[in-house]
Amino acid sequence: DAGITQSPRHKVTETGTPVTLRCHQTENHRYMYWYRQDPGHGLRLIHYSYGVKDTDKGEVSDGYSVSRSKTEDFLLTLESATSSQTSVYFCAISVGVHGEQYFGPGTRLTVT
Amino acid sequence: KQEVTQIPAALSVPEGENLVLNCSFTDSAIYNLQWFRQDPGKGLTSLLLIQSSQREQTSGRLNASLDKSSGRSTLYIAASQPGDSATYLCAVPPRGGGADGLTFGKGTHLIIQP
Repeated sequence: DAGITQSPRHKVTETGTPVTLRCHQTENHRYMYWYRQDPGHGLRLIHYSYGVKDTDKGEVSDGYSVSRSKTEDFLLTLESATSSQTSVYFCAISVGVHGEQYFGPGTRLTVT
Repeated sequence: KQEVTQIPAALSVPEGENLVLNCSFTDSAIYNLQWFRQDPGKGLTSLLLIQSSQREQTSGRLNASLDKSSGRSTLYIAASQPGDSATYLCAVPPRGGGADGLTFGKGTHLIIQP
């Protein structure tokens, strides 16, 4: 599993509440990613990080922010959750010179 | 913008058959291509990464081929088993190989009948 954990694994929240998802890796890899997976859309990149305090937007970044204050942790925040953000969220890391990506177990988020 | 397509979307075959999953991409200037497996309710498991300079990559009963000029990759599964049942995804990084995240196909849902 490449030493990636995500927390929480499941969460139900109400529209308008803030939510923070955490990704933790144990191997000090530089690159980390947040994706969401939805039926009919597949996996899409939300944000990524190429080092501490260095982040950038992906394809579907609206409504999300990220932070990376330590190499091992990459946080995804929904400032005000909406029903359209109901999804499964995956964290990933990039390993080695060829950039092979490894994924965490996912967080299932339901916004009611 | 890179687009990745996987055909078929679903496939059901009896155990023991050899099968081929297809992946096509619109921008042939890829750095590499990665195949993943996803079991229901689980994360993605990396199966194979094939570099742009390679034509094939093998791992056990799996063989991935890459033809950049035609924008295609195939994943060949030999002697399929019920445990191979899963969704198979292919993905490519952005042009130039930057670490900006992968573009995924929507996957092939594979069922191997015992």
